[in-house]
Amino acid sequence: AQKVTQAQTEISVVEKEDVTLDCVYETRDTTYYLFWYKQPPSGELVFLIRRNSFDEQNEISGRYSWNFQKSTSSFNFTITASQVVDSAVYFCAHCSGGYQKVTFGTGTKLQVIP
Amino acid sequence: DTAVSQTPKYLVTQMGNDKSIKCEQNLGHDTMYWYKQDSKKFLKIMFSYNNKELIINETVPNRFSPKSPDKAHLNLHINSLELGDSAVYFCASSQNPGSYNEQFFGPGTRLTVL
Repeated sequence: AQKVTQAQTEISVVEKEDVTLDCVYETRDTTYYLFWYKQPPSGELVFLIRRNSFDEQNEISGRYSWNFQKSTSSFNFTITASQVVDSAVYFCAHCSGGYQKVTFGTGTKLQVIP
Repeated sequence: DTAVSQTPKYLVTQMGNDKSIKCEQNLGHDTMYWYKQDSKKFLKIMFSYNNKELIINETVPNRFSPKSPDKAHLNLHINSLELGDSAVYFCASSQNPGSYNEQFFGPGTRLTVL
């Protein structure tokens, strides 16, 4: 069975600091996808990124970057120069199998202090 | 032009009542989902429908019954509500289940059972 572990329950950083959110996954499948979603205090879930298991290239999007390493089954998310608007709960998720059954991690609550 | 909409946004009801939550997506997606997010923010899939056909049915009490009148709508009916049903329920949609596309989430329905 799939499992996604986000060991950091809560993180607090001061604005402009860099922060990395960890995600470790377990799967027996060779083909799978990994996702990150953001849930701001307003409650909606916002898609951030999707990676497939065959593409280990790191990705950068503005202040956000993702490091996918199959050797350690990790898909970590770094926010550079954090801002107060980054305060949210961030979920890592895994999907495999034919029916897109997504398994979410327990989330990491990030608080960026001005 | 909301992509995934849910009604109502808030639902407060007494134990033992029956209630429904409605979900509609205008993205032309084939697959829709219901998730439950508990008070600790843990997100768990409940059901998934592809083109009106049930494809994922997790271990959910049979008091919960999803209904998909067409592929743009997925409603959730809950009978005999219990205190433990209090949670935020999210509807989501994605393109066909085999393509591992990201899921688009509705704004959530906060259900409070008194």
